[in-house]
Amino acid sequence: DAKTTQPPSMDCAEGRAANLPCNHSTISGNEYVYWYRQIHSQGPQYIIHGLKNNETNEMASLIITEDRKSSTLILPHATLRDTAVYYCIVEKGSNYKLTFGKGTLLTVNP
Amino acid sequence: DTGVSQDPRHKITKRGQNVTFRCDPISEHNRLYWYRQTLGQGPEFLTYFQNEAQLEKSRLLSDRFSAERPKGSFSTLEIQRTEQGDSAMYLCASTSSGRARQETQYFGPGTRLLVL
Repeated sequence: DAKTTQPPSMDCAEGRAANLPCNHSTISGNEYVYWYRQIHSQGPQYIIHGLKNNETNEMASLIITEDRKSSTLILPHATLRDTAVYYCIVEKGSNYKLTFGKGTLLTVNP
Repeated sequence: DTGVSQDPRHKITKRGQNVTFRCDPISEHNRLYWYRQTLGQGPEFLTYFQNEAQLEKSRLLSDRFSAERPKGSFSTLEIQRTEQGDSAMYLCASTSSGRARQETQYFGPGTRLLVL
């Protein structure tokens, strides 16, 4: 079973920030938080991951709470192409099989 | 880096037929994973290889399913005597276990199977 809880769907206006929450209250000290997304009919795409500290790359920012029990993926300026299912995954590393939940369907509206 | 490729992208077959899918991972990646995704669900792990060795199989992988990675490069997933319940997207992913363990898994575009 997935170790994370995400809302099933969210909406965001184009050009605004999209903030996708994830709860992972049972996360272990050696587990990372990974975010992937899946655009319709494509394979999942890696976005970002983190352990304790907040992370930022060219796609998104990841904010992890101090107790590590939850995190937020931030897409700073959402575009229509960001419409996808976003998966939050907790795992010890990418060498391990990934356990996906149902994710959050983010719909970016014009 | 051409990414992970899968062939075919789509397959329609009749119940009872055998089908085989191919996955070509990123060339330097020694780990290869197969996942299955049904409509409205996230991908589910099926099996993985490190080089040519199949190290883990999910209970989802019934005896009608077999996967190989003969030379530690490409992999095949065969389904014998297909059933309608096998209709799904079959995803392949690869990564390198030799790098820092934060290395991500890279996914292919998937093979969509429809069993009539």
